[in-house]
Amino acid sequence: EADIYQTPRYLVIGTGKKITLECSQTMGHDKMYWYQQDPGMELHLIHYSYGVNSTEKGDLSSESTVSRIRTEHFPLTLESARPSHTSQYLCASSEGILEGKLFFGSGTQLSVL
Amino acid sequence: RKEVEQDPGPFNVPEGATVAFNCTYSNSASQSFFWYRQDCRKEPKLLMSVYSSGNEDGRFTAQLNRASQYISLLIRDSKLSDSATYLCVVLRGGSYIPTFGRGTSLIVHP
Repeated sequence: EADIYQTPRYLVIGTGKKITLECSQTMGHDKMYWYQQDPGMELHLIHYSYGVNSTEKGDLSSESTVSRIRTEHFPLTLESARPSHTSQYLCASSEGILEGKLFFGSGTQLSVL
Repeated sequence: RKEVEQDPGPFNVPEGATVAFNCTYSNSASQSFFWYRQDCRKEPKLLMSVYSSGNEDGRFTAQLNRASQYISLLIRDSKLSDSATYLCVVLRGGSYIPTFGRGTSLIVHP
């Protein structure tokens, strides 16, 4: 069983609010990812990190930011939530750069009203 | 053109049937290939890696065709519990970023 946790599981929030989605893993993995997935659609990479103090933007243009101050923690922040941000956000980690085996958290379902 | 393409289906098959999915990728420098399974409203989980020589795990067989740039997944003796979406994942050459296909939906009925 994977040891990667996301909170909250569900979040309903009003437009303009600042939100932080939490992701933590206890496996000591260097590489971490944030994906966004709409129902029936593919996962889109929005941010990734190779390790502490490393963050990169993914393929999907996003108004979110991430930080990686500790190996185990990779939070995603939206400074001003909009209805277009409504989606499922999935955090994942992998053991090494060449590793394609990803461990996913249970996801955060975000609804912005 | 999308980097990883899959027929979204759904594939509707009876129990015991054999079903096969294909996935094509556009970047010839892609390094590694995987199949993931995603149940409704759940996170994806690794089903199996795909090796150049082809590999089998119980009722599941995966194959890679680098010349034609596609991978396949064959499921034999389908079970009701195989109903899920099967995601093709490709590690992008150079950056090794895992890139996901949209997934193929499989429904196994009694």
